[in-house]
Amino acid sequence: DTGVSQDPRHKITKRGQNVTFRCDPISEHNRLYWYRQTLGQGPEFLTYFQNEAQLEKSRLLSDRFSAERPKGSFSTLEIQRTEQGDSAMYLCASSFDRGEKLFFGSGTQLSVL
Amino acid sequence: GESVGLHLPTLSVQEGDNSIINCAYSNSASDYFIWYKQESGKGPQFIIDIRSNMDKRQGQRVTVLLNKTVKHLSLQIAATQPGDSAVYFCAENIGDDKIIFGKGTRLHILP
Repeated sequence: DTGVSQDPRHKITKRGQNVTFRCDPISEHNRLYWYRQTLGQGPEFLTYFQNEAQLEKSRLLSDRFSAERPKGSFSTLEIQRTEQGDSAMYLCASSFDRGEKLFFGSGTQLSVL
Repeated sequence: GESVGLHLPTLSVQEGDNSIINCAYSNSASDYFIWYKQESGKGPQFIIDIRSNMDKRQGQRVTVLLNKTVKHLSLQIAATQPGDSAVYFCAENIGDDKIIFGKGTRLHILP
């Protein structure tokens, strides 16, 4: 499978715990994006990377959220001290370059109890 | 502001008929637009895209129309099939290569 891969597919955690999600983009893609999607809504932009450089963080991304792409390949999104409001689908997407279409993974569904 | 919106949250279409899903965008600087299809439990799937120097683009059974004058985008699906049931999102590149999405339209196919 040469598409965008996300792990895990589902995560259930208790409020206050830390969670980390991983995204493996399509191998030749330079850009990597994280989005969050809640039921009935479109994906909301969180952050994106050009290779290993994080270009922008949305104001939705509080200081409890951090994303990295250390070698310009896979990326991780960590949420510290999870809250019930963090429950959502976290989607990763990649594109070959700027201004190109995004290819999405299947997402990680987070449930905070 | 930065927003991409859709006119209808739900659209019901008879199987075999054509579907038209509409989208309004607000950012005049947007230069690239994409339609995505999302089925339950899956990530958005690319359908078709169009750049601002075009006003129409056709794919297999799908056509995207762009009207920059009124900042309107539409997706036309010909001969709608049961497998077309999904939520459809339009998305735009707002000029800083950040792709933002609208709320989506759920397409129901009636037998």
